[in-house]
Amino acid sequence: EAEVAQSPRYKITEKSQAVAFWCDPISGHATLYWYRQILGQGPELLVQFQDESVVDDSQLPKDRFSAERLKGVDSTLKIQPAELGDSAMYLCASAPGQGSHEQYFGPGTRLTVT
Amino acid sequence: DQQVKQNSPSLSVQEGRISILNCDYTNSMFDYFLWYKKYPAEGPTFLISISSIKDKNEDGRFTVFLNKSAKHLSLHIVPSQPGDSAVYFCAARVYGGSQGNLIFGKGTKLSVKP
Repeated sequence: EAEVAQSPRYKITEKSQAVAFWCDPISGHATLYWYRQILGQGPELLVQFQDESVVDDSQLPKDRFSAERLKGVDSTLKIQPAELGDSAMYLCASAPGQGSHEQYFGPGTRLTVT
Repeated sequence: DQQVKQNSPSLSVQEGRISILNCDYTNSMFDYFLWYKKYPAEGPTFLISISSIKDKNEDGRFTVFLNKSAKHLSLHIVPSQPGDSAVYFCAARVYGGSQGNLIFGKGTKLSVKP
């Protein structure tokens, strides 16, 4: 069964350091999402890609966060510098296209900033 | 302001009985509603969805009911099994809005006791 892959699964970093997360969506899925889930909350969208283009990054804190999907397949989310408040689960999801209402999530990366 | 609300943080049910998880929403422009199940240290897994033009959708032990006039939906699990113990997220998609982005509730933790 096709799955969304994410790495690393867990990351501990000190504040002010840089950290990066990787996501490989289900093969053939054109739409890719990055979400952040704080403990006790639901996932919140950070950025959405359609192929290699960003279609929504209105909730991405652009002073410290960046995301890319250069070849329209896998994607990287970066935080630099990390802050204590960035501790959360970072989830990647993919969908066949923008019209699809179902999104398929990866296992997530649990980030702890100390 | 939360557009998707799950007012019950937790629910405990006996095995074999019915579990009813509730969700309220405020945005009339939502066109699809989805339920996701999440186990600890895993990403959310799609469970079932319903279009805003329907009032019921059923898949095995899972049924979702939509009451548009009340802006309320519910997920029924019958019969409940211990393996159903997880956090359940209600999510909604805005029609024609941000390319299919989902807005999630805070989740309800379901515990099914043997």
